[in-house]
Amino acid sequence: GQNIDQPTEMTATEGAIVQINCTYQTSGFNGLFWYQQHAGEAPTFLSYNVLDGLEEKGRFSSFLSRSKGYSYLLLKELQMKDSASYLCAVKDSNYQLIWGAGTKLIIKP
Amino acid sequence: DADVTQTPRNRITKTGKRIMLECSQTKGHDRMYWYRQDPGLGLRLIYYSFDVKDINKGEISDGYSVSRQAQAKFSLSLESAIPNQTALYFCATSDGQGETYEQYFGPGTRLTVT
Repeated sequence: GQNIDQPTEMTATEGAIVQINCTYQTSGFNGLFWYQQHAGEAPTFLSYNVLDGLEEKGRFSSFLSRSKGYSYLLLKELQMKDSASYLCAVKDSNYQLIWGAGTKLIIKP
Repeated sequence: DADVTQTPRNRITKTGKRIMLECSQTKGHDRMYWYRQDPGLGLRLIYYSFDVKDINKGEISDGYSVSRQAQAKFSLSLESAIPNQTALYFCATSDGQGETYEQYFGPGTRLTVT
């Protein structure tokens, strides 16, 4: 079967750094996405990795290791507005997205 | 104006009623999707369409049907609503010619079946 695992909830402090992990087992791999979703709102695209390594985009970075079936999203200089759920999704061999349940990130002052 | 719109945004209905959720997009994308989201679960694909004449079942299509009236419009119907179809429903689009097939989401429809 296909499976995406990520922690259910994490807590971090404003101004700090947090790493959200995602492990996956899917039928094929054609890329991995991270999305941000504020409560009751639509998911919005954060990053896309298809090759191993780190992709940096401002305060957010995403890392991929295809051999380990592993990715992480790194958020630096945390702000209160970063309180949201972070969804990991893998594009499988049929180019369909398989979604993790999301990690709820709580930022404390 | 939003690129992907959904109507209605909220709906409360009774068991057994037929419900239609509508999605429109101005992004010019050929691919459209319907998902449902439940607390503690990931987004689950109900149906997807790669063009007007191409409709495919997703992971959880039972109890749902869709219609792709035009490239820009994709409707989801619940033929006879039941309480466990209470969920947040999202429409999404992607560009089949794009490199990443990144999906763009509508604002969602919160459906409650009593």
